[in-house]
Parts: sequence; structure tokens; C-alpha cells
Amino acid sequence: GAVVSQHPSRVICKSGTSVKIECRSLDFQATTMFWYRQFPKQSLMLMATSNEGSKATYEQGVEKDKFLINHASLTLSTLTVTSAHPEDSSFYICSARDPNRGPRGGELFFGEGSRLTVL
Amino acid sequence: GQQVMQIPQYQHVQEGEDFTTYCNSSTTLSNIQWYKQRPGGHPVFLIQLVKSGEVKKQKRLTFQFGEAKKNSSLHITATQTTDVGTYFCAGSYNQGGKLIFGQGTELSVKP
Repeated sequence: GAVVSQHPSRVICKSGTSVKIECRSLDFQATTMFWYRQFPKQSLMLMATSNEGSKATYEQGVEKDKFLINHASLTLSTLTVTSAHPEDSSFYICSARDPNRGPRGGELFFGEGSRLTVL
Repeated sequence: GQQVMQIPQYQHVQEGEDFTTYCNSSTTLSNIQWYKQRPGGHPVFLIQLVKSGEVKKQKRLTFQFGEAKKNSSLHITATQTTDVGTYFCAGSYNQGGKLIFGQGTELSVKP
């Protein structure tokens, strides 16, 4: 089945530094990828929709200058948490749909997730 | 805004007992999907429901989509320890659009 790979799986950084998380679709091309954030024991909150070749669409309340998204190719989207602070510590997960499954193939394939800890 | 509400938040059952989680949207959904997330893992797709009143089964799991396409349920018959995890519903308000996740129901099963 379709595979989405995310890297790194865990990252610890100092407050004030920036962290980049990569999300790759391994066996399909994804013009759109979705970035979610999940706090412990909570739901997945959609942060933004990453669009290949154009600007990302951010959800209300998500700072676009804080969470930079780049979707430079059909198989790679990156999320950069800029000037990270302890409150940015969270589980970040990307996802994508496989267009080869047709218009009904709405299922999302998730990456393994990246656990960010900001000291 | 568009929200998908899910209850209960937690469910603790004895192995062999049944389990049900419910989802509700205030507005009509295009489709609803269900995911399972094991502790420490990422969500894995279970099923998608599209039609009004649709019922789908996967072995011991039964998924329903309401007639008004505003609510859905997941029922597990005779739970097993392998069913442990958090079950999320996720609704979409247009075909291929973004998914809005419910709060999830964490299921624990006592052997």
C-alpha cells in the first residue's frame, strides 16, 4: 500500500532554535499533504494543507511565520518550526492521499510522526 | 466552525465485552472515515463511509453512517487485547477535502 515516511522521528532542541521535519510519499506523488499536531491523549489538530508549487493553506490560529511549510516537489513536504519554544513540544504528523486510488480513495496515509521536545 | 464530536473519551472493558464509540457532526458530512492509533504509533486507516445509512463490517468491527450523514458509530464485538488503542472518526465536508478528526476514544481491554 501507499507509504508516507517522516523524518526525524524524535528531535530534542534548545529553545530558540529551528527544527525541520520532512515528509515524503514513497510510492506515489502527492500534490497535497496535510500537517497535523497532536498533544498527549488528544486528537489530531490540522495545522495546514501543503500544496505542491504554491503556498500552504493554514488553519485558523496557526501562525504561518512560526510553522513554515514548503512543498517543493510532488513527493516531499517540509515543516519548519522556527524559534521553537517549550510550548511547541508536540507530536507532529504528516499525511497524504494516494491519487492512484481515484476520487473515492479518500483515506489518509500517515507518516510515523515526529516527536519534538523543546528544552 | 466545523467540528466532529466523539464520545466517550475513554472506555475500559473486560476482554470479550463489546465496545462502541460515537461521532457526531452539526452539519452534513460528505464522508466519514475511521482510524486506529496504537500507543506510540500513528493513525492507521480502517474504513470510509460515504452513503447515507451505510453499514460496513470488518470481522468483529461494524461501522455505521447515519441517514442524515451527520453521525457515525464503530462497534466492536467481543473485544480482544489486540483491539487496544485510540479510535478516531474523521469527517470530511467535501470530497477530497480536509479531514476533521474527532477527539478519539481510548479503548483499554483487560485480559
